[in-house]
Amino acid sequence: GENVEQHPSTLSVQEGDSAVIKCTYSDSASNYFPWYKQELGKGPQLIIDIRSNVGEKKDQRIAVTLNKTAKHFSLHITETQPEDSAVYFCAADPTSGTYKYIFGTGTRLKVLA
Amino acid sequence: DSGVTQTPKHLITATGQRVTLRCSPRSGDLSVYWYQQSLDQGLQFLIQYYNGEERAKGNILERFSAQQFPDLHSELNLSSLELGDSALYFCASSVGSGGIETQYFGPGTRLLVL
Repeated sequence: GENVEQHPSTLSVQEGDSAVIKCTYSDSASNYFPWYKQELGKGPQLIIDIRSNVGEKKDQRIAVTLNKTAKHFSLHITETQPEDSAVYFCAADPTSGTYKYIFGTGTRLKVLA
Repeated sequence: DSGVTQTPKHLITATGQRVTLRCSPRSGDLSVYWYQQSLDQGLQFLIQYYNGEERAKGNILERFSAQQFPDLHSELNLSSLELGDSALYFCASSVGSGGIETQYFGPGTRLLVL
């Protein structure tokens, strides 16, 4: 079955710097890759997603890149702000017919003011 | 606000007890998913219902069960509770039953088993 690995587990950056979180997946048939942000005491919130027919997608300060050959995808946050501090999860949606997400283990991002 | 609601927000109970968690999906969504989030295991998929029927099963214990009602709200029943069941339980919803679909998560229910 699908397996998703996420790195790093924790990441500290200075305000204004960029942050990059990487995920690898095992099932080459996976075709949808969402990223979620989870703030303390709240549920995961979708921040960006990418489909397998696209290599990159941007939304203001957030971008996601996908390398299907290498089976990895990354989240890029530019000009980080303190409110970006949260736990970020990547996920993959395998085409196994069950439509469930396989989540990475999460990255705790701290933006230092 | 995702539009997915969950009650209760917090639940404290004792080992051996039974609890019911409730989820209302976003308006128009037919699928409900349940996830368990514990410190050492991340987000684990438990079960999916689509329009009242079980669609997919993940790592759900036999002591746990779920159902989706005609109004599309869902309940997750946890019985014979153990200390290790303490976790955050999230439900998510999506429009259809499959394909490439975004899942929207509720705020979660924090369960503490003493």
